[in-house]
Amino acid sequence: QKEVEQNSGPLSVPEGAIASLNCTYSDRGSQSFFWYRQYSGKSPELIMSIYSNGDKEDGRFTAQLNKASQYVSLLIRDSQPSDSATYLCAVNDGDKLIFGTGTRLQVFP
Amino acid sequence: DAGVIQSPRHEVTEMGQEVTLRCKPISGHNSLFWYRQTMMRGLELLIYFNNNVPIDDSGMPEDRFSAKMPNASFSTLKIQPSEPRDSAVYFCASSLNGQSNQPQHFGDGTRLSIL
Repeated sequence: QKEVEQNSGPLSVPEGAIASLNCTYSDRGSQSFFWYRQYSGKSPELIMSIYSNGDKEDGRFTAQLNKASQYVSLLIRDSQPSDSATYLCAVNDGDKLIFGTGTRLQVFP
Repeated sequence: DAGVIQSPRHEVTEMGQEVTLRCKPISGHNSLFWYRQTMMRGLELLIYFNNNVPIDDSGMPEDRFSAKMPNASFSTLKIQPSEPRDSAVYFCASSLNGQSNQPQHFGDGTRLSIL
């Protein structure tokens, strides 16, 4: 059974701080990695994708991938209260995505 | 551009009734996915289609669940008969094609409550 593991949280950070969200996966053959943000009562929204080792930056978001360690992370710089949501890590299994159960992030003023 | 459109947004019905959920994928997207989300089990893939053909239905919980995609712009997920344990949020998602590097885009979901 292929798995994607995330700490459920909540992860609480003060406004302006860096939030670090982590994800590990079991399938060494996975090639595509995604981060989704899900606000309470809403649908998952794609915020980042990463396919090769290293860092990928998009505005305040940075995704980091280490395939050797089977580890992918999401950094949110200058965290805002509006970033408070559940962040889902998704990893491909062939043409399908396996989702982690998500980490709940709380950014307090 | 219109995103993935699901209907109804909310459905409340009594156990034993038939439930039909509907999905219109993003125009031009060839892959469609049905998910179920609960607090206990998170987001689970039920079935997915490529070019209207079901590819993997291993996530469908039992024979009470069925899904169809009669054309590129419409899919249904049916539960018959429904049971209280089917209560969940059901999401439909679509992607450009069946390639693993293509992200999936989600509809707003159907919140289903079976009494």
